[in-house]
Amino acid sequence: DTEVTQTPKHLVMGMTNKKSLKCEQHMGHRAMYWYKQKAKKPPELMFVYSYEKLSINESVPSRFSPECPNSSLLNLHLHALQPEDSALYLCASSLRVQSNYGYTFGSGTRLTVV
Amino acid sequence: GESVGLHLPTLSVQEGDNSIINCAYSNSASDYFIWYKQESGKGPQFIIDIRSNMDKRQGQRVTVLLNKTVKHLSLQIAATQPGDSAVYFCAENPLEGKFYFGSGTKLNVKP
Repeated sequence: DTEVTQTPKHLVMGMTNKKSLKCEQHMGHRAMYWYKQKAKKPPELMFVYSYEKLSINESVPSRFSPECPNSSLLNLHLHALQPEDSALYLCASSLRVQSNYGYTFGSGTRLTVV
Repeated sequence: GESVGLHLPTLSVQEGDNSIINCAYSNSASDYFIWYKQESGKGPQFIIDIRSNMDKRQGQRVTVLLNKTVKHLSLQIAATQPGDSAVYFCAENPLEGKFYFGSGTKLNVKP
């Protein structure tokens, strides 16, 4: 298995809703990442997990809450989002956090906040 | 190039021609670079990487050149095909765990 699987592929949520994005990989990668991508823009790093521990938070608002329950799963819990949070949310994984290991990206969850 | 507003820089090439996509990176501490291809509705896909102790690396139909003096990367695609049409991003790795993406270039291959 050489894929990163993200669910759901599309999500529409209201500003008072609570939802979660899920990411799964079975490549034995111990580093996992959340990126946010707006239309026609590059992906922007949000969070980095290394060996199931949060190692980098790029000053992301607390309405985004990541969770790494085990080495194969990464969640992003969403609460009280704003319309400007609508974007493609990408999960990625790599063998280790250290440089010289490229990422494998999932296809993303396209989130619309109404 | 840099994106302005909602417009990505676009490179249009004829099928069969060679393509060159350029990227300026920002951090002189970056020691590892990757080129990604992103097709519509998909996540970025790894194309080729290069470490800072190299100035050129070749893959299948693709070559990456690194000029550390001017902090410049380029991706050369030989015999460009319609399937190469996508947005291409360079990414730099200045710190452990952090990859930062350039603004992207849209490649449009005309049949």
